[in-house]
Amino acid sequence: NAGVTQTPKFRVLKTGQSMTLLCAQDMNHEYMYWYRQDPGMGLRLIHYSVGEGTTAKGEVPDGYNVSRLKKQNFLLGLESAAPSQTSVYFCASRGQMNTEAFFGQGTRLTVV
Amino acid sequence: GEDVEQSLFLSVREGDSSVINCTYTDSSSTYLYWYKQEPGAGLQLLTYIFSNMDMKQDQRLTVLLNKKDKHLSLRIADTQTGDSAIYFCAAANNNAGNMLTFGGGTRLMVKP
Repeated sequence: NAGVTQTPKFRVLKTGQSMTLLCAQDMNHEYMYWYRQDPGMGLRLIHYSVGEGTTAKGEVPDGYNVSRLKKQNFLLGLESAAPSQTSVYFCASRGQMNTEAFFGQGTRLTVV
Repeated sequence: GEDVEQSLFLSVREGDSSVINCTYTDSSSTYLYWYKQEPGAGLQLLTYIFSNMDMKQDQRLTVLLNKKDKHLSLRIADTQTGDSAIYFCAAANNNAGNMLTFGGGTRLMVKP
């Protein structure tokens, strides 16, 4: 049982490049979330999904897009990366009846 | 929306008790969580408390909830050097996909 898996684990992008971060969960969870973590600011919610085919904006959605075409996968896209998007990105998932959110190990993204 | 606040730093001696405090603003929060993050790692759920409880004990961990003051604390008894980490408080409610709103994290340093 892998839980929540994020790929890639590390990435360096040049300003203006695009990329997609993949989050996969094997627990049949309905809810999935993308957070970014910056020093002293905790985790801030970027986008979330309450089920396959649905997405919604979180606290800091600008510059990001997401898709949930399959229940087990939640993709986070950066269309034109900016240095302000340098951060550690965490994906999480949660079942409808579960109290615990399970987190991936994080993706460290640097935009130069 | 919800706002969750924590102090940034706490230093204790090995064997002492640690108390990490957190305040939140949304009185409709149903669950309150404590997560631990070690360097370079993801988030590990330590414990959580439902909003109709005022205390929960789990081995060395004691969570106190003052719902009137919207104040949550985590007490770690007999703190060990392995407890050195960043501790995040998070609040969840039944709206918006049960998303978690995190505090900025408290860095706990345990001195031998």
